[in-house]
Amino acid sequence: AQSVTQPDIHITVSEGASLELRCNYSYGATPYLFWYVQSPGQGLQLLLKYFSGDTLVQGIKGFEAEFKRSQSSFNLRKPSVHWSDAAEYFCAVAPPYGNKLVFGAGTILRVKS
Amino acid sequence: DTAVSQTPKYLVTQMGNDKSIKCEQNLGHDTMYWYKQDSKKFLKIMFSYNNKELIINETVPNRFSPKSPDKAHLNLHINSLELGDSAVYFCASSQRDQPQHFGDGTRLSIL
Repeated sequence: AQSVTQPDIHITVSEGASLELRCNYSYGATPYLFWYVQSPGQGLQLLLKYFSGDTLVQGIKGFEAEFKRSQSSFNLRKPSVHWSDAAEYFCAVAPPYGNKLVFGAGTILRVKS
Repeated sequence: DTAVSQTPKYLVTQMGNDKSIKCEQNLGHDTMYWYKQDSKKFLKIMFSYNNKELIINETVPNRFSPKSPDKAHLNLHINSLELGDSAVYFCASSQRDQPQHFGDGTRLSIL
């Protein structure tokens, strides 16, 4: 069965500092991989996705993620965090050509000025 | 224009009542979903419909019944509400095997 682990429940970074949120998955083959962001009281917004091809994918709001097959990881990065990035971030996987999303437990990002 | 819209946004009701949550998408997608987000923010899929046909039905109590009158709408009806049903319920839609677009959620509180 698919599973997703986000090892960090909370992360605090200073505004302008770089960010990396970790995501590890368990799946028999290479799944489809996603990062979503949820602001308080809001729905989930897709930041980026990986289906195949280039393992470094660019998303919205200056985020990028790198798929590393050998580590079963899909970590999210941003070179310079803005206060408006404070939110909860969810990594998710789905089987190729499937649509059953399995989410990680989420990482809450706090940004200090 | 709201892509995936859910109503109501908040729902407060008593144990034992029956309630419905409505979802509509204007993206032309062929697949719609219901997710439950519990108090610890854990998100789990409940149901998925493709062109009005049920394709995913996780281990959800049969008090929960989805209904899809057409491929732009997926409603969730819940009978005999229990305290454990308190959660945020999200509707989503997608073209098959494309990223899912989520609504803003319905916060259900059971008194």
